[in-house]
Amino acid sequence: RKEVEQDPGPFNVPEGATVAFNCTYSNSASQSFFWYRQDCRKEPKLLMSVYSSGNEDGRFTAQLNRASQYISLLIRDSKLSDSATYLCVVSLYGGSQGNLIFGKGTKLSVKP
Amino acid sequence: DTAVSQTPKYLVTQMGNDKSIKCEQNLGHDTMYWYKQDSKKFLKIMFSYNNKELIINETVPNRFSPKSPDKAHLNLHINSLELGDSAVYFCASSQDTGWNSPLHFGNGTRLTVT
Repeated sequence: RKEVEQDPGPFNVPEGATVAFNCTYSNSASQSFFWYRQDCRKEPKLLMSVYSSGNEDGRFTAQLNRASQYISLLIRDSKLSDSATYLCVVSLYGGSQGNLIFGKGTKLSVKP
Repeated sequence: DTAVSQTPKYLVTQMGNDKSIKCEQNLGHDTMYWYKQDSKKFLKIMFSYNNKELIINETVPNRFSPKSPDKAHLNLHINSLELGDSAVYFCASSQDTGWNSPLHFGNGTRLTVT
């Protein structure tokens, strides 16, 4: 089983749609979780951290389910500018310090 | 006022050559990294330095040698380049080595080995 798994997509949605991505991780000792966004031929950028209680940032909501070892990202009212690849990232506590494990990403394409 | 800058942006070279990629961050971060993103878009850590000291050295051929002259710089030298080295190499930095310290990436160096 891969350390961090994501559905690669692509998810093709119309503007205004709500879309959700899931990500599963294999190491139950994982402590920190993030969503990064990577535009085509650009560098990854932090979108949001994922907290145990779930958190929201505008149209974006992140959830963590430790029992089932998955993380989700919900995007409401999709914009054309949301088109990108969304990377699920997990950090291990007790492993190499600062060692983040990246998923391969889920590609989102928002159409007019 | 770019936060993490790496040069060159594109690098095309022949097998067997030696090349270097430079990285600098002006964020005052303590920790810097090199990541490799291959053709399948999989992003994997190669090295990590904290205050000029190597703290992560993943399974990378010893043809790859990082050098950190100071905590704001982390360069990557590659000897005897091979076709399989073709990828995008991202430099990154973070405030510290804490596992909840997010990464700030440079805009990548696209290396093509012919």
